[in-house]
Amino acid sequence: DQQVKQNSPSLSVQEGRISILNCDYTNSMFDYFLWYKKYPAEGPTFLISISSIKDKNEDGRFTVFLNKSAKHLSLHIVPSQPGDSAVYFCAAGYTGANSKLTFGKGITLSVRP
Amino acid sequence: NAGVTQTPKFRILKIGQSMTLQCAQDMNHNYMYWYRQDPGMGLKLIYYSVGAGITDKGEVPNGYNVSRSTTEDFPLRLELAAPSQTSVYFCASTRDSTYEQYFGPGTRLTVT
Repeated sequence: DQQVKQNSPSLSVQEGRISILNCDYTNSMFDYFLWYKKYPAEGPTFLISISSIKDKNEDGRFTVFLNKSAKHLSLHIVPSQPGDSAVYFCAAGYTGANSKLTFGKGITLSVRP
Repeated sequence: NAGVTQTPKFRILKIGQSMTLQCAQDMNHNYMYWYRQDPGMGLKLIYYSVGAGITDKGEVPNGYNVSRSTTEDFPLRLELAAPSQTSVYFCASTRDSTYEQYFGPGTRLTVT
């Protein structure tokens, strides 16, 4: 049973345009959501997060939006750059779970120059 | 700070062999985790630890064992390796009560 779903395996966008990566979850207990970025042959690195008490969090070119009623979050990258090409994982956790995270399958983003 | 380090980077095992994947962190994090990532899949939690001497099972613990004798080290033991354990293994750590986990570079294991 996949509790965190990233239904699109890949996304290709032109440099300078917006990238929108989507994530859905099923577990209502999740109260914290994160995005990780992963380059080949490296470990995932933390990108941005959002608590369930917020609906938006911004950090430079990256913005995460949370729609709790729809159990949906999205990562917006504006403007997209070739160096953003990587696999992006959505992850979720909840209070009292020893900071354990549940990960989605990931989306491969390709930014074309 | 080296962060989270993992050794070895690559390993090929024969079926039935055993090995230990090493993980160490120098950030004084109490919480540590072992994940595996299969092709096209997300990361699945194998075991985790909330402090020295305390370990617990994650989502996919069968075929693995862990120990946590110090805050810094969290080795993962594979006994009787099977082809189904072919995967990339990641170790991660975090401070208490935070969610942002720091990951090591991974160990790519092939069992043939």
